[in-house]
Amino acid sequence: GAVVSQHPSWVICKSGTSVKIECRSLDFQATTMFWYRQFPKQSLMLMATSNEGSKATYEQGVEKDKFLINHASLTLSTLTVTSAHPEDSSFYICSAPGLAGTDTQYFGPGTRLTVL
Amino acid sequence: GQQLNQSPQSMFIQEGEDVSMNCTSSSIFNTWLWYKQDPGEGPVLLIALYKAGELTSNGRLTAQFGITRKDSFLNISASIPSDVGIYFCAGLGRSGATNKLIFGTGTLLAVQP
Repeated sequence: GAVVSQHPSWVICKSGTSVKIECRSLDFQATTMFWYRQFPKQSLMLMATSNEGSKATYEQGVEKDKFLINHASLTLSTLTVTSAHPEDSSFYICSAPGLAGTDTQYFGPGTRLTVL
Repeated sequence: GQQLNQSPQSMFIQEGEDVSMNCTSSSIFNTWLWYKQDPGEGPVLLIALYKAGELTSNGRLTAQFGITRKDSFLNISASIPSDVGIYFCAGLGRSGATNKLIFGTGTLLAVQP
């Protein structure tokens, strides 16, 4: 199956700083990628849809100025958590649609963000 | 946001037992997916269902897409310790020009050797 990677695997930062998380499709191109947030013992909630060459589409209630998304190329999307606060601590996961003709999505391994 | 309801919320079983879990939705989905998530990792796709009534197997896993396209079940036969994890169903819905996944609430499976 398609492989999606994320970097870093985990990050600890001080309150008020910004953190960038990368999502890469390793063996396929993705014009669209998705960013999810998962709090402990909860399900995955879609934050935004990253679109190569255009602006990201954010889900209701997600602050676009706080969670900056840049889809720089057909294999890379980045999520920047700006001015992070402890309540932003969560597990952030990206995904990308698989092969053309299928509707499946392949997920990255996730990034654990802890804001002190 | 919208979620799919999964049951049971958690299951504690003995190794070798069969397991069944369900997922229901108030909305129709054209594609239904089942994922497994290990602690600290991203979900891994187990089975994809595309047609109403479709029954699909993947090794010891069997899943069926409900006739109404509003529900699905996942069965695991002869469970083993590595089956431990959280199982999520997900419906693929259309929002504008994009297909988006709506995840279920999850079923935690614990297998005692």
